Amino acid sequence: RKEVEQDPGPFNVPEGATVAFNCTYSNSASQSFFWYRQDCRKEPKLLMSVYSSGNEDGRFTAQLNRASQYISLLIRDSKLSDSATYLCVVNIIRTSGTYKYIFGTGTRLKVLA
Amino acid sequence: EAGVAQSPRYKIIEKRQSVAFWCNPISGHATLYWYQQILGQGPKLLIQFQNNGVVDDSQLPKDRFSAERLKGVDSTLKIQPAKLEDSAVYLCASSRSPGQGFHEQYFGPGTRLTVT
Repeated sequence: RKEVEQDPGPFNVPEGATVAFNCTYSNSASQSFFWYRQDCRKEPKLLMSVYSSGNEDGRFTAQLNRASQYISLLIRDSKLSDSATYLCVVNIIRTSGTYKYIFGTGTRLKVLA
Repeated sequence: EAGVAQSPRYKIIEKRQSVAFWCNPISGHATLYWYQQILGQGPKLLIQFQNNGVVDDSQLPKDRFSAERLKGVDSTLKIQPAKLEDSAVYLCASSRSPGQGFHEQYFGPGTRLTVT
């Protein structure tokens, strides 16, 4: 079983639609959680961190469910510019006290006009 | 604040040749990461440095890959000899040390390597 699993998609949605992605992780000791966005042929960029209480940033909402070990990303009112790959990232603290980031394979989103 | 710098941006080499990539992290970031990203996959950690010490190199193919971070700032990643399966994007990232505030990773633009 992969440490971080995502549906690779692609998700093809019309402009204005609401779309949700889920990500599951296997290590119950995972500390922090992030969603990164990666445009084609570009580097990953932080979209948002995921807090235990859930958090929202404009049209984007992230949720964490520690009991079921999954995180989600909801995008409302999709824009053409939202087309990208969304990477789920889980952070584990090693016994040495250093961080280890584990990436999912990413979910491709294509927003259609 | 300047971002993570990497060079070259693109490299095409023949198999069995050698290649080196360079990374300059964000000033003050003690932790530096090298990732390999193959098309359609998420980044895979190759090696992680804390200052100039190696924290994790468990997924680095040490028979052909090497990396160093002299003086705890810049880093180089070398492949010698290259194989066809090394064709990928090599991403460098940096972050603050644990306990130094928010620890998100910042990525450089990557080096796209093609091995023919």
